[in-house]
Amino acid sequence: DIQMTQSPPSLSASVGDRVTITCRASQQINKYLNWYQQKPGKAPRLLISAASSLHGGIPSRFSGSGSGTDFTLTITRLQPEDFAIYFCQQSYTSPWTFGQGTKVDLK
Amino acid sequence: EVQVVQSGAEVKKPGESLKISCTASGYIFANYWIAWVRQRPGRGLEWMGIIYPGDSDTRYSPSFQGQVTISADDSISTAYLQWSSLKASDTAMYYCATPYDYGIHAFDIWGLGTLVTVSS
Repeated sequence: DIQMTQSPPSLSASVGDRVTITCRASQQINKYLNWYQQKPGKAPRLLISAASSLHGGIPSRFSGSGSGTDFTLTITRLQPEDFAIYFCQQSYTSPWTFGQGTKVDLK
Repeated sequence: EVQVVQSGAEVKKPGESLKISCTASGYIFANYWIAWVRQRPGRGLEWMGIIYPGDSDTRYSPSFQGQVTISADDSISTAYLQWSSLKASDTAMYYCATPYDYGIHAFDIWGLGTLVTVSS
């Protein structure tokens, strides 16, 4: 299986901050990398597909980049509703695998 | 509206069997993959497997192969996840999800989850 490693596991930030989360794959996955947001008690929500394509309805303050093994999710100007857990997921080869998550909480 | 609706929470004893469901609406069920994802309490997401209802092509994560069975009934637009003998370690929230706009890759439609509690 391809292992997905996110960093940091958690971070504290303030409203208005710029936040960066990284995801590293244990082998190259081209651009088959997706990002999800999950809030407590809710199902995950797709933010970004194919490393950098913003899903419909997702605010433009979310962006993704990367290819191969190293990827980044960036949130510019963090909003109160962005405090959540973020997961990356590779879809290059079965089984699809997720990172362990990055919790973004209020400083 | 494209959506998937999951069956309700279950409380079971170790050794019991269980089948939970995920019913799709708003799209042609047979033409889209549907996956199951496990989330243990306070933990991350684990992709269990995926099925293409049109031809029942099913792929399992090695971690779940032989532990669960994924199936689908196209006539009622419903996918299933079943266990023949539950363990306490199966206690988790189970989500179904479909990569509606994304082929097989990214899951944009999620159910609300089915909480399965296994306890003696």
